[in-house]
Amino acid sequence: DTGVSQNPRHKITKRGQNVTFRCDPISEHNRLYWYRQTLGQGPEFLTYFQNEAQLEKSRLLSDRFSAERPKGSFSTLEIQRTEQGDSAMYLCASSLSPEQPQHFGDGTRLSIL
Amino acid sequence: AQTVTQSQPEMSVQEAETVTLSCTYDTSENNYYLFWYKQPPSRQMILVIRQEAYKQQNATENRFSVNFQKAAKSFSLKISDSQLGDTAMYFCAFMNGTGTASKLTFGTGTRLQVTL
Repeated sequence: DTGVSQNPRHKITKRGQNVTFRCDPISEHNRLYWYRQTLGQGPEFLTYFQNEAQLEKSRLLSDRFSAERPKGSFSTLEIQRTEQGDSAMYLCASSLSPEQPQHFGDGTRLSIL
Repeated sequence: AQTVTQSQPEMSVQEAETVTLSCTYDTSENNYYLFWYKQPPSRQMILVIRQEAYKQQNATENRFSVNFQKAAKSFSLKISDSQLGDTAMYFCAFMNGTGTASKLTFGTGTRLQVTL
């Protein structure tokens, strides 16, 4: 069990650029979640996958955001035309089943210049 | 929609003492789970303790225990024999137990500082 891995750890980009983050869940975990955490706040749910199917998306996930999990293993989260308000920590978590606890990665910190 | 409220932004406790962090939640569901997660500075979020709503017995994990009051929708965390390594942000979280949805709804967190 190597834990949930997220890359990159930090991303600095100019406003208007596109960014992509990657999450590798714990192997055999079929559920994968994305959350966003801003300074001083708790994480907020963005979306989740069961295997390769994206089953729920938050209203926080605007049209500029897209997430994929093409083979039911790793997932990517892309933000197009980044804005200042996108600056946050993006957390990925995985779980074995709905009832089991979610295990979190270290997160990707996004800073928009 | 479920909401989770943590009314203590910051707490401080001396090493070896006991501290209680408060959490209340609002839901119309009857089947759900409650969690406490710990997020040390610049480190990943880790699960501290978990409580199933259908269980009356309060969950315990070594020095960590909860006081789950379902009718009052209260879920407090007690840390006994506090250690310096307990210094972290603590988040209370709710998860609906029905259907396929299993997203976590978090509170705003309590920053705990353990001092010598």
